[in-house]
Amino acid sequence: KAGVTQTPRYLIKTRGQQVTLSCSPISGHRSVSWYQQTPGQGLQFLFEYFSETQRNKGNFPGRFSGRQFSNSRSEMNVSTLELGDSALYLCASTRGLSSTEAFFGQGTRLTVV
Amino acid sequence: AQSVTQLGSHVSVSEGALVLLRCNYSSSVPPYLFWYVQYPNQGLQLLLKYTTGATLVKGINGFEAEFKKSETSFHLTKPSAHMSDAAEYFCAVSDPATQGAQKLVFGQGTRLTINP
Repeated sequence: KAGVTQTPRYLIKTRGQQVTLSCSPISGHRSVSWYQQTPGQGLQFLFEYFSETQRNKGNFPGRFSGRQFSNSRSEMNVSTLELGDSALYLCASTRGLSSTEAFFGQGTRLTVV
Repeated sequence: AQSVTQLGSHVSVSEGALVLLRCNYSSSVPPYLFWYVQYPNQGLQLLLKYTTGATLVKGINGFEAEFKKSETSFHLTKPSAHMSDAAEYFCAVSDPATQGAQKLVFGQGTRLTINP
């Protein structure tokens, strides 16, 4: 069965631009979470969606937003990009709210220049 | 708030030697605990998890970890290291805001190097 798919794998953007990243969870999984991974801050939780509703949000500025569609696919958007937004963005899916196994995608490597 | 501390950002062992990666956590409620592995330019793969029950949990690739509530620890071990174990390892704890693994708090990671 297909795993979590994130597109694109690599992205280069200019400061001030905006970017949209996509995540397709494992078939049948309804919860999607997003994380930012940087060398300095490590892995930090961005937000979590279940049934098209944002249930939890991490401590990130409002420039970071996301949504989930009825087929459970999720997108995250970062507006007005800053150099510090350069990171690996990871998406994880779980089957349901009580699932204790999160499956991660390979991530999208965003470079802001 | 939950937090995770991994002792040692870099651990180096010889092939065939014991692997011990340390993890201590703080949590206001009984936690779910996880170890993930990350290979270069890859996502995270779950090695093992503790939810309830037996405190010694076995995972993939010969790894195991023991939940010690009194020490708030969840150290990862493997009796004999293999070259393919070289990777970055992350300990994580679930956030009680969720019922499962939807919101994880990660440690800073430990890079494991295996010497031939």
